Amino acid sequence: GAGVSQSPSNKVTEKGKDVELRCDPISGHTALYWYRQSLGQGLEFLIYFQGNSAPDKSGLPSDRFSAERTGGSVSTLTIQRTQQEDSAVYLCASSVPGGGDEQFFGPGTRLTVL
Amino acid sequence: GDSVTQMEGPVTLSEEAFLTINCTYTATGYPSLFWYVQYPGEGLQLLLKATKADDKGSNKGFEATYRKETTSFHLEKGSVQVSDSAVYFCALSHRDDKIIFGKGTRLHILP
Repeated sequence: GAGVSQSPSNKVTEKGKDVELRCDPISGHTALYWYRQSLGQGLEFLIYFQGNSAPDKSGLPSDRFSAERTGGSVSTLTIQRTQQEDSAVYLCASSVPGGGDEQFFGPGTRLTVL
Repeated sequence: GDSVTQMEGPVTLSEEAFLTINCTYTATGYPSLFWYVQYPGEGLQLLLKATKADDKGSNKGFEATYRKETTSFHLEKGSVQVSDSAVYFCALSHRDDKIIFGKGTRLHILP
């Protein structure tokens, strides 16, 4: 069975440009999470979706970051006016509520802002 | 807020050595505890977990016991292999909630 997939695997962009990162969760997983992994900060939570709603957006670092989820499946994380400090690996995870708290992670998107 | 503290790396050991990576946590209530592993060039994988006090999680020769009295979840392996070289993350989560990770410990095993 397919795991969590993310695209693109690598993205290089110029400072000030907008980027969109995509996550396809495991089929049937209603919970979806975005995390960021950077050298200085380790692994940080960004946002959590249950279905199409986001009850916890507390980790989004600024209003340049937004995310949406449609059809209870695919999610897109958008970063507007990218800055060099946005360079990181963006990880997506999905889980089944009540499934023992285990989250399944995708391979990540490595974002480099020049 | 909740937090996880794990020993700084890198940790370098010879093959067949005994491994301990220390992890302590601060949390309200009774979270589940995890160890995740990230092998070079690969994604994050769950290594083992424990959901309540005194539970022992185990996988691939690794073990960790949920110690509520010391708020710890130390990772141990009796005899490490070169293939165990990776970054290890201690983490906690409350039911259906985000995971809070430690900073990670890079492990190098020398042949």
